[in-house]
Amino acid sequence: DGGITQSPKYLFRKEGQNVTLSCEQNLNHDAMYWYRQDPGQGLRLIYYSQIVNDFQKGDIAEGYSVSREKKESFPLTVTSAQKNPTAFYLCASIGQVSNQPQHFGDGTRLSIL
Amino acid sequence: AQSVAQPEDQVNVAEGNPLTVKCTYSVSGNPYLFWYVQYPNRGLQFLLKYITGDNLVKGSYGFEAEFNKSQTSFHLKKPSALVSDSALYFCAVRDISSGSARQLTFGSGTQLTVLP
Repeated sequence: DGGITQSPKYLFRKEGQNVTLSCEQNLNHDAMYWYRQDPGQGLRLIYYSQIVNDFQKGDIAEGYSVSREKKESFPLTVTSAQKNPTAFYLCASIGQVSNQPQHFGDGTRLSIL
Repeated sequence: AQSVAQPEDQVNVAEGNPLTVKCTYSVSGNPYLFWYVQYPNRGLQFLLKYITGDNLVKGSYGFEAEFNKSQTSFHLKKPSALVSDSALYFCAVRDISSGSARQLTFGSGTQLTVLP
């Protein structure tokens, strides 16, 4: 079945450490997105990528970095500059047709040790 | 700019009763509108969308939504609620004329609890 796989499901970060969240899709979608979800705040866009080797900052990009070396993969690195990283992180993708919904992975929950 | 408001953080309804989860939006052009559902520690699942045409949209699991352009609303409805409908519901909008790379703007979510 086609879909989006996020790993790990749970991740713990030590102070001063960078951690990388994985997002892989086999839907042949061009665009991929990273969102942060905090209780009562909905989803906020961190970064997005419309094509390979290109990505743009979203609303809350500070303290995060991404790469898009392959169409299928869009990893997110939470750097030590992100002072409040505890949240649920969701990856999504969409194909060429703009009226289609975004497809979501099952998320990674990041906590601070 | 595009925005979405879900005015109710929490909606409680008895099983078998009709349910409504409210959503209003703001876009400069014409909207694409979406409803998603989220169960604990899971991603968002697509329920239904409004693109154009009929104002009443039917989706998964018996849900439907009514697009009202004059009131800029897209309320989610179901005639008879089930306990298994208890979840977090998100409304989302995309301005089709904004050229914003198919970005969605999400509401803050409404927690629906269906009481047995």
